[in-house]
Amino acid sequence: DAGVIQSPRHEVTEMGQEVTLRCKPISGHNSLFWYRQTMMRGLELLIYFNNNVPIDDSGMPEDRFSAKMPNASFSTLKIQPSEPRDSAVYFCASSPHSRLSNQPQHFGDGTRLSIL
Amino acid sequence: DAKTTQPNSMESNEEEPVHLPCNHSTISGTDYIHWYRQLPSQGPEYVIHGLTSNVNNRMASLAIAEDRKSSTLILHRATLRDAAVYYCILRDVGPGGGADGLTFGKGTHLIIQP
Repeated sequence: DAGVIQSPRHEVTEMGQEVTLRCKPISGHNSLFWYRQTMMRGLELLIYFNNNVPIDDSGMPEDRFSAKMPNASFSTLKIQPSEPRDSAVYFCASSPHSRLSNQPQHFGDGTRLSIL
Repeated sequence: DAKTTQPNSMESNEEEPVHLPCNHSTISGTDYIHWYRQLPSQGPEYVIHGLTSNVNNRMASLAIAEDRKSSTLILHRATLRDAAVYYCILRDVGPGGGADGLTFGKGTHLIIQP
């Protein structure tokens, strides 16, 4: 089975540009999560969706960040305009939807974003 | 999610068992104990989870204290490929009626010596 697929793997762009990160969750998984990892702050949850509906976006740092899930097989995380402090590795994860919260999350390989 | 405390780093020799401790003194009755690990340049990877009883799977064993205030992840025979950051995380049912996000601490950086 294909795992969580993220694209691009690496992105280098200039400050002020729009950045779009993409994620394809594992087929059949109803929950999707976006995380960010930096040396200073470690791994942080940004937002998560259940059945394509955003449930908690309290981790989204600013209005410059937005996330969508138009269907069960695709999600985007957009930064507009981007700033150097947004440089980080962004991970997408998916899991089966479960009230018991026992289901493990499956992570993609991440997108390494550098804003110059 | 309740807070966990782990040592910053641990070192072990290849082919020896490794015991990674985690303290969670404020754990609630419905918190599950989950362990993930992150190998260099990869996303986190699920290892194991449990509630009250000890658990075993192909990757590791999880020993949970009787009062549930601490747990230990056991790698029975460490290899160089087990060198990673190991995260101990508590999870409860989220407000949306489903699983919510993970709260990662700093984890334990496990170093394996050949």
